[in-house]
Amino acid sequence: QKEVEQNSGPLSVPEGAIASLNCTYSDRGSQSFFWYRQYSGKSPELIMSIYSNGDKEDGRFTAQLNKASQYVSLLIRDSQPSDSATYLCAAADSNSGYALNFGKGTSLLVTP
Amino acid sequence: EAGVVQSPRYKIIEKKQPVAFWCNPISGHNTLYWYLQNLGQGPELLIRYENEEAVDDSQLPKDRFSAERLKGVDSTLKIQPAELGDSAVYLCASSPGRGLNTEAFFGQGTRLTVV
Repeated sequence: QKEVEQNSGPLSVPEGAIASLNCTYSDRGSQSFFWYRQYSGKSPELIMSIYSNGDKEDGRFTAQLNKASQYVSLLIRDSQPSDSATYLCAAADSNSGYALNFGKGTSLLVTP
Repeated sequence: EAGVVQSPRYKIIEKKQPVAFWCNPISGHNTLYWYLQNLGQGPELLIRYENEEAVDDSQLPKDRFSAERLKGVDSTLKIQPAELGDSAVYLCASSPGRGLNTEAFFGQGTRLTVV
């Protein structure tokens, strides 16, 4: 069973701080990793994807991948109340045709 | 560019009744997914299409669920008969193809309530 694990939270951070969201995966064959943001009652929205070890930055978001540790993270700098949402981590591999295998999500609350 | 379109947005039905959901993927996207999302959980894959072929339906409860993607574009997911436990959000997603950089884009979902 391929598992993607996330702490359900809620993770509470003050406005302007860095939010750190973490994800681990069990399948060493996983090759692609994605972070989705999901507001309450809405559908998942893609934030970032990462395929190589290291960091990938996009605006206030940085995704980090460590394949040796089977660990993916998402950092949100200068957190805003509008960042309050559930963040879903997903992994994909060629054996499953790159279909996304999601974790349960981490709830983030950014307090003013 | 239009996103993934799903209808209806909401559906309330009585148990044992049939229900169908429709999805129109992003133009040119060959891969289409149906996911189910329960409250507080991540989306779970039900079925994946490559063009008109269902290449992974291992998680689809085939005794009551069926899906089709005629002509490799629009897709329909059907439940017959619905059970109380089917209440969930049904999400359709599409991607331009398979591969390392496959990014899937989701529709707004259909929230099903079975009473």
